Amino acid sequence: KNEVEQSPQNLTAQEGEFITINCSYSVGISALHWLQQHPGGGIVSLFMLSSGKKKHGRLIATINIQEKHSSLHITASHPRDSAVYICAVERGSQGNLIFGKGTKLSVKP
Amino acid sequence: NAGVTQTPKFQVLKTGQSMTLQCAQDMNHNSMYWYRQDPGMGLRLIYYSASEGTTDKGEVPNGYNVSRLNKREFSLRLESAAPSQTSVYFCASSTLAGATGELFFGEGSRLTVL
Repeated sequence: KNEVEQSPQNLTAQEGEFITINCSYSVGISALHWLQQHPGGGIVSLFMLSSGKKKHGRLIATINIQEKHSSLHITASHPRDSAVYICAVERGSQGNLIFGKGTKLSVKP
Repeated sequence: NAGVTQTPKFQVLKTGQSMTLQCAQDMNHNSMYWYRQDPGMGLRLIYYSASEGTTDKGEVPNGYNVSRLNKREFSLRLESAAPSQTSVYFCASSTLAGATGELFFGEGSRLTVL
């Protein structure tokens, strides 16, 4: 079993829909990262969080440490949000990130 | 702002050939990383450098060597390329010491080994 599981693997939405991507992990962590990988391949860090909730524009990330679960929400989705969203957990020692396999999101106009 | 710059972006090698992937960051970050990304798998850490002059193995170091030439530059070398090293390679950097911190990625280098 993978230590970091994302769901769904693939997600198709209509423009304007509210989107939720989930990340569950089975190990103790010090922080969790959400990354976005563009269709061209570039990777951008969206959030790093260790508790509670963070918001940036239309993106919201939440984490429940007790339940070992995090969600990434996108409000009022847009075709430019189409990308692969990657969850990664940090286990405390430098460089030791464990990555999920990603969720491929496609937003149709 | 250049951020993290990787070269080359594409490379085709024959089995047994050697090559070096170059990475440079202009953000004065302490930590630098090399990852590989393969279809159906998450990113995996090859090597990392917490500071100038130090390097440590990650999850998949076999077949690779690294050099942290100075604070800006972190290179990845394949001494004798194998088809199993066909992958997309990403360099990343972060500013925190003792934790990974926010990561800044290069655009990736697509390597094919025939």
